[in-house]
Amino acid sequence: NAGVTQTPKFQVLKTGQSMTLQCAQDMNHNSMYWYRQDPGMGLRLIYYSASEGTTDKGEVPNGYNVSRLNKREFSLRLESAAPSQTSVYFCAAALGNTIYFGEGSWLTVV
Amino acid sequence: AQSVTQLGSHVSVSEGALVLLRCNYSSSVPPYLFWYVQYPNQGLQLLLKYTTGATLVKGINGFEAEFKKSETSFHLTKPSAHMSDAAEYFCAVSDRDTGGFKTIFGAGTRLFVKA
Repeated sequence: NAGVTQTPKFQVLKTGQSMTLQCAQDMNHNSMYWYRQDPGMGLRLIYYSASEGTTDKGEVPNGYNVSRLNKREFSLRLESAAPSQTSVYFCAAALGNTIYFGEGSWLTVV
Repeated sequence: AQSVTQLGSHVSVSEGALVLLRCNYSSSVPPYLFWYVQYPNQGLQLLLKYTTGATLVKGINGFEAEFKKSETSFHLTKPSAHMSDAAEYFCAVSDRDTGGFKTIFGAGTRLFVKA
């Protein structure tokens, strides 16, 4: 049982480039989330999707877009990457109020 | 709006000593509260959660936490620290939002365990 799977695990981007982080869950959970983790700041919610076809902004949505393609998949897109978006990104899926996390994606923008 | 405050970004204890990690929250509705643990280069793993009922919650690896509504606290404890407990710990609060739950995390507390 893989749970929540994120790809890629590591990525280096140049400023201005675009990329998409992919996330898929095999737990049949309705809700999915994207967080970023930065030293001393914990996890901050970027976007979340309560169910297929819906998305909502979290605490730090600027510079990102998301797509809830179907119940399994929730992607995060950086249209024009900036050094401030260097971070570790976590996708998560939730059954009710309990969140289950993927292993993380390390993104560096140079 | 929800918020979570973890007191102390770093806590150091000796092996065998009591572990106490502090968490205070604010929420406009009765909250759901969580503690997660993160080992290096890994995702977050659920330690325990409070939803309703008994205010003392037991989790994995010998950890427990007590929900105190009057103090808006949900501190994490373990009677005797083990070297393998060294990790970063996150407190979180979850409220029902439009169509689902929105979960907010604290900044984290890194636990060091000395031999």
